[in-house]
Amino acid sequence: QSVLTQPPSVSAAPGQKVTISCSGSSSNIGNNYVSWYQQLPGTAPKLLIYDNNRRPSGIPDRFSGSKSGTSATLGITGLQTGDEADYYCGTWDSSLSAAVFGGGTKLTVL
Amino acid sequence: EVQLVQSGAEVKKPGESLKISCKGSGYSFTSYWIGWVRQMPGKGLEWMGIIYPSDSDTRYSPSFQGQVTISADKSIRTAYLQWSSLKASDTAMYYCARLRETQSRWFDPWGQGTLVSVSS
Repeated sequence: QSVLTQPPSVSAAPGQKVTISCSGSSSNIGNNYVSWYQQLPGTAPKLLIYDNNRRPSGIPDRFSGSKSGTSATLGITGLQTGDEADYYCGTWDSSLSAAVFGGGTKLTVL
Repeated sequence: EVQLVQSGAEVKKPGESLKISCKGSGYSFTSYWIGWVRQMPGKGLEWMGIIYPSDSDTRYSPSFQGQVTISADKSIRTAYLQWSSLKASDTAMYYCARLRETQSRWFDPWGQGTLVSVSS
């Protein structure tokens, strides 16, 4: 049981937009910044978003992040088949003094 | 280029000991925390703990405290994750990652992962 809650799967057609939600509590998302990671099949996780909505260099602006209260959202526009991956949200939990992750969301581009 | 390179896959028997490694390059190794993350087969990411190589200050997730030992040798820019007595349930992919801290915390980059298989 992950501390952060994500939908197990989402799907959309190529070219469309999809959002992935991440729900937490006041001890984690509510009072800390959120990051997002992409894990392509058979590879290590890769940073997509940090500080709720900032993209590292090299990450296309098709990827965006937002946060409101105790929830965060990853948005992906102009979906490509190469975006098929597992996506994880992460943050710090002040009560646990620990990094926490969501359970992951599998994105299928139909 | 900032990079973390992990040691290769391991196949072990229950009860055996193991130490896997994570070597950093391209940045000041002693200025950033290094974290370890477990991913069991078909499952999500679980944070195990972090170490600050400069002084070996270590923090563990309550779920992993006492189950593993995290260490570092700053002279060779390498962090370690070790088990004294493996169990079949330790079978997983293990990732190291550099912890970035500003007003928030995030992990970047990640090592390529070390697959640990424990079976009799």
